[in-house]
Amino acid sequence: DSGVTQTPKHLITATGQRVTLRCSPRSGDLSVYWYQQSLDQGLQFLIQYYNGEERAKGNILERFSAQQFPDLHSELNLSSLELGDSALYFCASSPSLLAGYNEQFFGPGTRLTVL
Amino acid sequence: KNEVEQSPQNLTAQEGEFITINCSYSVGISALHWLQQHPGGGIVSLFMLSSGKKKHGRLIATINIQEKHSSLHITASHPRDSAVYICAVRSNTGNQFYFGTGTSLTVIP
Repeated sequence: DSGVTQTPKHLITATGQRVTLRCSPRSGDLSVYWYQQSLDQGLQFLIQYYNGEERAKGNILERFSAQQFPDLHSELNLSSLELGDSALYFCASSPSLLAGYNEQFFGPGTRLTVL
Repeated sequence: KNEVEQSPQNLTAQEGEFITINCSYSVGISALHWLQQHPGGGIVSLFMLSSGKKKHGRLIATINIQEKHSSLHITASHPRDSAVYICAVRSNTGNQFYFGTGTSLTVIP
């Protein structure tokens, strides 16, 4: 158990809908990262937050947004869903801003299926 | 274009064999990570490297910054090592993460 929790574990929805994925980092970790893993694209970095502020942005679509709250949990919002958004979404946390210098701890993932 | 290339894509080994997985990258990096993903989907970080070599149990990871290359070695492989091993780098410009496509390892008893 990494100490990172993600809810829900599974989510099935329809095209055009909007969903929210939630992540609670390990106690004391200030950085949260979101990743998408699809069969055709592999793992992709979406976005990083540190202590409530956006710090790095990867291949995140404009239909997607994220935030980190004062209690450090983070939410990833996916809207106008398309079939291609079906994927595993992972959250990871690390103690500091410079995750290049710290190990990341991954949550179990949320499997999103868009029908 | 892939910023991170891994080889081999698939690897089957007999229990006890020495295994090497290679990772080459094309960007300047602040660190390189080796991740392990089990069949159930969970991801575990094995190593974070910015130089040299690290060892944890039967696993050894090395990096050559000049050659932009890293290797993950598994000594005395065991069926429980069967997983997908993923190389990831954090670029030193823009703080982006780039991932290899993974090496699927199967260790046969």
